[in-house]
Amino acid sequence: QLQLQESGSGLVKPSETLSLTCAVSGDSISSGTYSWNWIRQPPGKGLEWIGYIYHSGSTYYNPSLKSRVTMSVDKSKNQFSLNLTSVTAADTAVYYCARLTVRGGSFDYWGQGALVTVSS
Amino acid sequence: EIVLTQSPDTLSLSPGERATLSCRASQFVSSNFLAWYQQKPGQAPRHLIYRTSNRATGIPDRFSGSGSGTDFTLTISGLEPEDFAVYYCQQYGSSPLTFGGGTKVEI
Repeated sequence: QLQLQESGSGLVKPSETLSLTCAVSGDSISSGTYSWNWIRQPPGKGLEWIGYIYHSGSTYYNPSLKSRVTMSVDKSKNQFSLNLTSVTAADTAVYYCARLTVRGGSFDYWGQGALVTVSS
Repeated sequence: EIVLTQSPDTLSLSPGERATLSCRASQFVSSNFLAWYQQKPGQAPRHLIYRTSNRATGIPDRFSGSGSGTDFTLTISGLEPEDFAVYYCQQYGSSPLTFGGGTKVEI
């Protein structure tokens, strides 16, 4: 059974960089035709897709966040990461990592989510 | 960017009733890449439906999806107590991937 687990700082100061890692267990991040994604959800609001990375390292970011987002993958550790720079209070959210199937165009496995609060 | 509009915002029903949730896209969703998720408070979304009408692994057959083009529907036939939650649609017919704003199904 595939499992994803987010980790990282739960409190980030304004203008600093948010960093999260998603550890994948139960299967190799390199297997199959999947992309590895980050999605966020501000408290009490809907879901926003941040972007994806493939095991090859190729990425696609949501244009609304593109200038501030960087994703990376570490195949040796079977994990992928998110950096979001110059954060503001508007970036306060639960951040989820999730696997997207190319065949279905949908997210079949999700992490439990990590709350990140931006505050001084 | 394809904007997904879900309606209604809230659906008030009783156990055993049928729920019909709508998701309308601002543009054609190619390859029927339209999915549905269920989310309960404090939990991650749960994969329900992919490619418009295919149930995800382990999803009971009271959940069904239909539609094409710009109009899509999630139907829950015979609500169970555990079905009261928020439901989101999501498209990946074109980039960027987008989600609808959600429909809350409440008792």
